[in-house]
Amino acid sequence: GENVEQHPSTLSVQEGDSAVIKCTYSDSASNYFPWYKQELGKRPQLIIDIRSNVGEKKDQRIAVTLNKTAKHFSLHITETQPEDSAVYFCAATGGGGSYIPTFGRGTSLIVHP
Amino acid sequence: DAGITQSPRYKITETGRQVTLMCHQTWSHSYMFWYRQDLGHGLRLIYYSAAADITDKGEVPDGYVVSRSKTENFPLTLESATRSQTSVYFCASSDPGEAFFGQGTRLTVV
Repeated sequence: GENVEQHPSTLSVQEGDSAVIKCTYSDSASNYFPWYKQELGKRPQLIIDIRSNVGEKKDQRIAVTLNKTAKHFSLHITETQPEDSAVYFCAATGGGGSYIPTFGRGTSLIVHP
Repeated sequence: DAGITQSPRYKITETGRQVTLMCHQTWSHSYMFWYRQDLGHGLRLIYYSAAADITDKGEVPDGYVVSRSKTENFPLTLESATRSQTSVYFCASSDPGEAFFGQGTRLTVV
């Protein structure tokens, strides 16, 4: 089955800095890569996603890049703000016709004011 | 209310008891999932369902049972609760594609 590795597990930045979270996946057939944000005590919610026919996608301060050859994808947050502090999860879906998301272990992002 | 809802939000139970966590979605999504979230382990898949009457095991299915007689409901039963099943449980649904999560159930087994 699919295996997703996520790094780092904790990321501490100053407000205004950029943050990058990286994930690798094992199944080359995976074709959908969502990112979820989970604030303390809340449910995970989708913030951005990318499909395997696209190399990069942006939404305001958030961007995701995908390298299919290397089987890795990354989340980039620019101009971080304290409200960006949360746990971020990457996921890979679609390998072998499966629609089951396999999640990374999560990254705790702390943005210091 | 539209969306995906879980009940109860919090539950304390004793070791050996049977407990059922409920999940209901109003979108008629085909896929439904149960995950448990533990510190350091992220979201681990317990069971999933691709449609009514179709269920399959995920990564950590031992000690759990699911059913899906109707598209909108996907209950998770702990047959004989153990302390290692203390966790936060999330139900999710998808069309497939984006997964939508319920609010979570915090289960404590004492």
